[in-house]
Amino acid sequence: EPEVTQTPSHQVTQMGQEVILRCVPISNHLYFYWYRQILGQKVEFLVSFYNNEISEKSEIFDDQFSVERPDGSNFTLKIRSTKLEDSAMYFCASSAEGSGVNTQYFGPGTRLTVL
Amino acid sequence: AQSVTQLDSQVPVFEEAPVELRCNYSSSVSVYLFWYVQYPNQGLQLLLKYLSGSTLVKGINGFEAEFNKSQTSFHLRKPSVHISDTAEYFCAVSDVQGAQKLVFGQGTRLTINP
Repeated sequence: EPEVTQTPSHQVTQMGQEVILRCVPISNHLYFYWYRQILGQKVEFLVSFYNNEISEKSEIFDDQFSVERPDGSNFTLKIRSTKLEDSAMYFCASSAEGSGVNTQYFGPGTRLTVL
Repeated sequence: AQSVTQLDSQVPVFEEAPVELRCNYSSSVSVYLFWYVQYPNQGLQLLLKYLSGSTLVKGINGFEAEFNKSQTSFHLRKPSVHISDTAEYFCAVSDVQGAQKLVFGQGTRLTINP
């Protein structure tokens, strides 16, 4: 069964450093998402991406964040200058279409630790 | 804007006992409703979803949920749980009118004791 994969599973970085979290969505999916979960808190929407542009973003997704689909398979989340409060589990998801009727399939997540 | 509340952060249950995980939502527009499960070291997996029609929705692994519009609830139930059901369960909503994002509750950790 096709699945969403994410690398790395755990990333440790120093405050102020740039990090890139990588995701490989399901191959025939067209809509891509990033969510995050700070320890002990809710899973929060960050951004959705379709047709090579952002379709929606949350207030969390400020200028420090960017997303990219550099090739036909990868979908990346970049944090330019990490802060302590960026420490969280980051989940990538994809869906065949953008309507809510279409299931979003999630990856296993990348745990980001900012020291 | 929508919000989701899962009242129970942890639910311990004995094996073969029934379980109900509670979910209430708030929204000014019509929503779709979802339950996701996260097993240890895995991603979120869809258990079931309510889009329209019958308010009782059946999902994978013997779970079901009932949509109650008047109480704005979407509680998840299973009549007899197994050790393998130990996981974190997330309730979520999305806007019917096209906004793609899922709004999640804080999750309920279900622990099955032998």
